[in-house]
Amino acid sequence: KAGVTQTPRYLIKTRGQQVTLSCSPISGHRSVSWYQQTPGQGLQFLFEYFSETQRNKGNFPGRFSGRQFSNSRSEMNVSTLELGDSALYLCASRTTSSYEQYFGPGTRLTVT
Amino acid sequence: GENVEQHPSTLSVQEGDSAVIKCTYSDSASNYFPWYKQELGKRPQLIIDIRSNVGEKKDQRIAVTLNKTAKHFSLHITETQPEDSAVYFCAAPLRRTGNQFYFGTGTSLTVIP
Repeated sequence: KAGVTQTPRYLIKTRGQQVTLSCSPISGHRSVSWYQQTPGQGLQFLFEYFSETQRNKGNFPGRFSGRQFSNSRSEMNVSTLELGDSALYLCASRTTSSYEQYFGPGTRLTVT
Repeated sequence: GENVEQHPSTLSVQEGDSAVIKCTYSDSASNYFPWYKQELGKRPQLIIDIRSNVGEKKDQRIAVTLNKTAKHFSLHITETQPEDSAVYFCAAPLRRTGNQFYFGTGTSLTVIP
């Protein structure tokens, strides 16, 4: 099976702009979670989607949002970008009957 | 609060020695404990996991032990090799949030040849 894929792999944006990141899960995986990874904070949970519904949301401001499509692909959006949003954004997918998460390669976002 | 604490943050060992990384968790209802390895510039990869109904699990040179009473679990790597050098993360689900995963802050392991 193909692994989790994310696009784009790298992004450079300026403060105030918005950005959309995409994640395609492993075939058959209906749960997609998003994480922010920074050197200081480690892996922080953003949200989880299952069957196009947000199941959980981490402690991030409303500027961070997401959605999931009927084919389980997911997108996350960050509006009004801040310098502190610079990070590696990882998504992970799993089946609904297992806890095992498989990560994508991440999108490296740099906000200048 | 709800979190996972991981120690040490950095670890250097000689090739062939053992390495141990420990995590503690707060939610006594947590029932699944994975360990991820992340090499520089790569994605985190699941290397081993354990469920709360067992105390130990081994896979070749790596093992994980779980102490539910003390709410901690550990990763053991024996006969370390240079390719084991990476950052290792533990994680645990917070059951009352619908199994939102909390991750430890990571351990940077360096195996010195």
